[in-house]
Amino acid sequence: QSVLTQPPSVSGAPGQRVTMSCTGNSSNIGAVYDVHWYQQLPGTAPKLIIYTNNIRPSGVPDRFSGSKSGTSASLAITGLQAEDEADYYCQSYDSSLSASVFGGGTKLTVL
Amino acid sequence: QLRLRESGPRLVKPSETLSLTCIVSGGSISSVSYFWGWIRQPPGKGLEWIGNIYYRGSTYYNPSLKSRITISVDTSKNQISLKLSSVTAADTAVYYCARQRGGVTGMFDFWGQGTLVTVSS
Repeated sequence: QSVLTQPPSVSGAPGQRVTMSCTGNSSNIGAVYDVHWYQQLPGTAPKLIIYTNNIRPSGVPDRFSGSKSGTSASLAITGLQAEDEADYYCQSYDSSLSASVFGGGTKLTVL
Repeated sequence: QLRLRESGPRLVKPSETLSLTCIVSGGSISSVSYFWGWIRQPPGKGLEWIGNIYYRGSTYYNPSLKSRITISVDTSKNQISLKLSSVTAADTAVYYCARQRGGVTGMFDFWGQGTLVTVSS
């Protein structure tokens, strides 16, 4: 059971907007700790796509955006493309565990 | 361009010690700005943080694995190492090394390609 909770799956048609959540508690997201998001294409290593809640690394399309409120964070993808089909993971820090923690991952299917 | 490459035995017997090395190229492991970490992913499952190390040697471990983990750094070889003792089938996973920016609460911005380690007799 992951410390951060993500929906197992989301789906959307090409061109649509999808969002996925990452829910924590007062020891991690609800504290001062930032949330980071990773995209993992099949058979590859995770790739950082959002850091510090809402910042995109260079080279990541502006179709990807992140937000954080209270004990939750969200990743939104607009203008969905077939190449966005992947697993997405959130990551934060948990002060009660003194550990970096990941969500269980959300599988995005592009219909 | 920074590159991280994991290496080590792909097959480990139960109860033995898993040993992996991550060689960093294209950048210095001695940078004051970064930590260096290990993350694993069992087949078909999610990511699990194992632990981090700073170039000066300070370590941070996942509490659930702490009794079995040793992470070390060799600045002369620009590499970090992971040892996981008393392994079982549950330790079968792809093991990644990654650079962490922003301190121990920060993001993993560069990852190695990962190496699959299978625990089996």
